[in-house]
Amino acid sequence: AQSVSQHNHHVILSEAASLELGCNYSYGGTVNLFWYVQYPGQHLQLLLKYFSGDPLVKGIKGFEAEFIKSKFSFNLRKPSVQWSDTAEYFCAVTPQTGANNLFFGTGTRLTVIP
Amino acid sequence: EAQVTQNPRYLITVTGKKLTVTCSQNMNHEYMSWYRQDPGLGLRQIYYSMNVEVTDKGDVPEGYKVSRKEKRNFPLILESPSPNQTSLYFCASSARTSGRGYQETQYFGPGTRLLVL
Repeated sequence: AQSVSQHNHHVILSEAASLELGCNYSYGGTVNLFWYVQYPGQHLQLLLKYFSGDPLVKGIKGFEAEFIKSKFSFNLRKPSVQWSDTAEYFCAVTPQTGANNLFFGTGTRLTVIP
Repeated sequence: EAQVTQNPRYLITVTGKKLTVTCSQNMNHEYMSWYRQDPGLGLRQIYYSMNVEVTDKGDVPEGYKVSRKEKRNFPLILESPSPNQTSLYFCASSARTSGRGYQETQYFGPGTRLLVL
C-alpha cells in the first residue's frame, strides 16, 4: 500500500528562521505531489504541486519544494518564516497511473514564535 | 464566488441514528471526495467520485455511503453512526484529471465536526 510519511509532527521556530519540512512517500511508479496548508480553524489550501519538469517547485507565500526522485522525497522549504505561517502542513501524493486516490501524510504542525 | 459548502458544520448525534452531511460545489467540477481528519492520522480519503453516478472507495470507506446523482452535490451518509466515526470531515472538489493521475488542485469545504455519543 502507498504511504506518505511526515516525520516532523510539531516544529517550533522563531520568526525569520528557515524552514524545512520532510515528506517521503512509498510508491515505485511516477507520482504527482502536493503540499497543502491548513491555517487554524480553516480548511486546506494548496501551497504548491509537482507533476513533471523542474524538480524545484515554487508555490505561494514564498514556499518552495524540491522533488528528489532517488530519495522518494518532496520536502517543503521557506527561507524565512513569519508568524502568519503558523499552521498545519500536509504532504499528499497520487500515482500518475491507476488509482485516482490522493494520499495524505499525517501532517506537521508549525508554530512560529514572534 | 467559487466554493465548496458543507452542512452542517457541527453535529452531535447518538449511536445508530442515521445522518447525512451535505456537500455542494459551484465550480462545475467532475471530481469530488470526502476525507476525515483525525489527530495523528492526517486526512484519510473515505470515498471519491469521478463524475455523476461514478463513485469509488478510498482508504476508509467502512460505515459510510455516498451518492452522486448531480454534479454539484456529493452527500456523505452514515447509516448507523458509531463513536469511532467521531471526526472532522472535509469535502473537496476539483476539475477532471488529465489521465496522468490526479493533478488538479482540490478545493476544500470548511469541514464538519461530528461527535457520535
